[in-house]
Amino acid sequence: AQKITQTQPGMFVQEKEAVTLDCTYDTSDQSYGLFWYKQPSSGEMIFLIYQGSYDEQNATEGRYSLNFQKARKSANLVISASQLGDSAMYFCAMREVPRNPDKLIFGTGTRLQVFP
Amino acid sequence: GAVVSQHPSRVICKSGTSVKIECRSLDFQATTMFWYRQFPKQSLMLMATSNEGSKATYEQGVEKDKFLINHASLTLSTLTVTSAHPEDSSFYICSARDVQRASYEQYFGPGTRLTVT
Repeated sequence: AQKITQTQPGMFVQEKEAVTLDCTYDTSDQSYGLFWYKQPSSGEMIFLIYQGSYDEQNATEGRYSLNFQKARKSANLVISASQLGDSAMYFCAMREVPRNPDKLIFGTGTRLQVFP
Repeated sequence: GAVVSQHPSRVICKSGTSVKIECRSLDFQATTMFWYRQFPKQSLMLMATSNEGSKATYEQGVEKDKFLINHASLTLSTLTVTSAHPEDSSFYICSARDVQRASYEQYFGPGTRLTVT
């Protein structure tokens, strides 16, 4: 069965430091996509970054980069130069392209707290 | 661009009543919208996919008669929780795809917190 695993329920990082949030996935499909979303305490889901399974280069969006290791089935999010505003829940999610491209399967999330 | 709104943001209702939640795409057309449910400190679970002009597709285990979905226009989908019970209390989030943009990206609304007393 398709599954997303986030093993870190909570993470702490000091402001201006980098932090890596772990995500592993399980799928039998060759074509799939991986997302990271940020959910502040207000509740909205903010799209951060996307990696397609056939993308050869790791995705980057500003301070966010996705460390995609296909053989290990991992898609870790790296946040560089953490800011206090980065404190939030972070969810990794997967879409399976051939089976149901619109369905997102979410992990259980990691709560990141950035301290001064 | 790509803003999705939800109304209301919070609602408290009595057990046995029905509650309607609206999801609107403000600056784009969304032929497909999605409804998620999130329990406290848990992940999002897809409830149903709402297609403009046709019936919604419900995920396994979701009661379609209890969670009525209507997608009457390219910018509006509604979720009605019928005969609500305390166990329906949850955070409901909708999302939408912009048909004009990259196919994979879903834009999420701010969510609606439902409390059934």
